[in-house]
Amino acid sequence: TQLLEQSPQFLSIQEGENLTVYCNSSSVFSSLQWYRQEPGEGPVLLVTVVTGGEVKKLKRLTFQFGDARKDSSLHITAAQPGDTGLYLCAGARGDYKLSFGAGTTVTVRA
Amino acid sequence: GAVVSQHPSRVICKSGTSVKIECRSLDFQATTMFWYRQFPKQSLMLMATSNEGSKATYEQGVEKDKFLINHASLTLSTLTVTSAHPEDSSFYICSAPTSGSYEQYFGPGTRLTVT
Repeated sequence: TQLLEQSPQFLSIQEGENLTVYCNSSSVFSSLQWYRQEPGEGPVLLVTVVTGGEVKKLKRLTFQFGDARKDSSLHITAAQPGDTGLYLCAGARGDYKLSFGAGTTVTVRA
Repeated sequence: GAVVSQHPSRVICKSGTSVKIECRSLDFQATTMFWYRQFPKQSLMLMATSNEGSKATYEQGVEKDKFLINHASLTLSTLTVTSAHPEDSSFYICSAPTSGSYEQYFGPGTRLTVT
């Protein structure tokens, strides 16, 4: 059983559309991180959220951390083909060990 | 951001041989590093925590005698896959947190193919 439930598993959209990826858990996390991974490469850190209710923006990407620090979402506005990749959420619970969600494969069609 | 390197990026070996993968933190020191395994189109599975100067901590179900981890310095951890078999073929990735932060930085991964 995965500690972090990530949804949807796959997402295919047209360039210019918006998308949201969700990461939910029954556990409280001290921090939650979002990564993007391209085939054959390691994950690249996009953002870290640590405060309940926190919202962070990174250009067209908006990240939210739930008030109770159990869930998070990633919203991409006006998606571009360069946003294609595997998006992973990962939570830390007081130590450095990360629990990963199953990942969301995002495909943005030109 | 911090940089983590891995070597080699790809390796092919024959069944029964051993393979060593290196993970280096290039611009920071890491007392802890993590080793993950990833199957195609799946998420990362934590294999073990590498601790500088002490024994590694393995996750449940990971054979410590098969996946030997050594963390000899503050910038280098190695994973040795001993007596490799085709089912060990996978993408192996390491990561390291920077000091005082939960943020982890990942290496580019090593594709191991056992024939």
